[in-house]
Amino acid sequence: EAGVTQFPSHSVIEKGQTVTLRCDPISGHDNLYWYRRVMGKEIKFLLHFVKESKQDESGMPNNRFLAERTGGTYSTLKVQPAELEDSGVYFCASSPPGRIYEQYFGPGTRLTVT
Amino acid sequence: GQNIDQPTEMTATEGAIVQINCTYQTSGFNGLFWYQQHAGEAPTFLSYNVLDGLEEKGRFSSFLSRSKGYSYLLLKELQMKDSASYLCAVSLVDSNYQLIWGAGTKLIIKP
Repeated sequence: EAGVTQFPSHSVIEKGQTVTLRCDPISGHDNLYWYRRVMGKEIKFLLHFVKESKQDESGMPNNRFLAERTGGTYSTLKVQPAELEDSGVYFCASSPPGRIYEQYFGPGTRLTVT
Repeated sequence: GQNIDQPTEMTATEGAIVQINCTYQTSGFNGLFWYQQHAGEAPTFLSYNVLDGLEEKGRFSSFLSRSKGYSYLLLKELQMKDSASYLCAVSLVDSNYQLIWGAGTKLIIKP
């Protein structure tokens, strides 16, 4: 069974540009989460989808971040315009229906904003 | 506010036992997770404790005391491949899908 995949693995962009990160959860996992780890800090929750619906987006830092999960399959996280403080590793995780404690993480996307 | 503390770094010897502690002060505790993360890789689920007591899973065990806001991860018969960061995370009652993370403990295994 394929695990959670994320694309790209690493992205380097300039301040002010736009970047879109993609996450493909494990097939059949309704729950999808986005997390971020900024250098030297702990992992922070960004948001949670149940199928295509945003269950909780309380962790989204500001309106420069937009997450979507059209069709309830893969999800995208767009940062527009990117700022220097957005640099970090963005993790996606998924869990099966009714078992939210089994979060399977993707390898992460390392975003560097210069 | 929510606060999770764990040591920044620990060193242990191959074949030995190590205990990584985690203390938390959160509102509405639901459960506590331990994840392992090798450098550059995704966090990997190790354990999930909801009730007080010890959960054993092979060489790894996790303990929880809800009244003390305390957990530990016990690793036995350490192997070099156990060198990694170990992350403690808490889920809350009113948002049990959102994990609050500690900063992680970097474990270094020496021969």
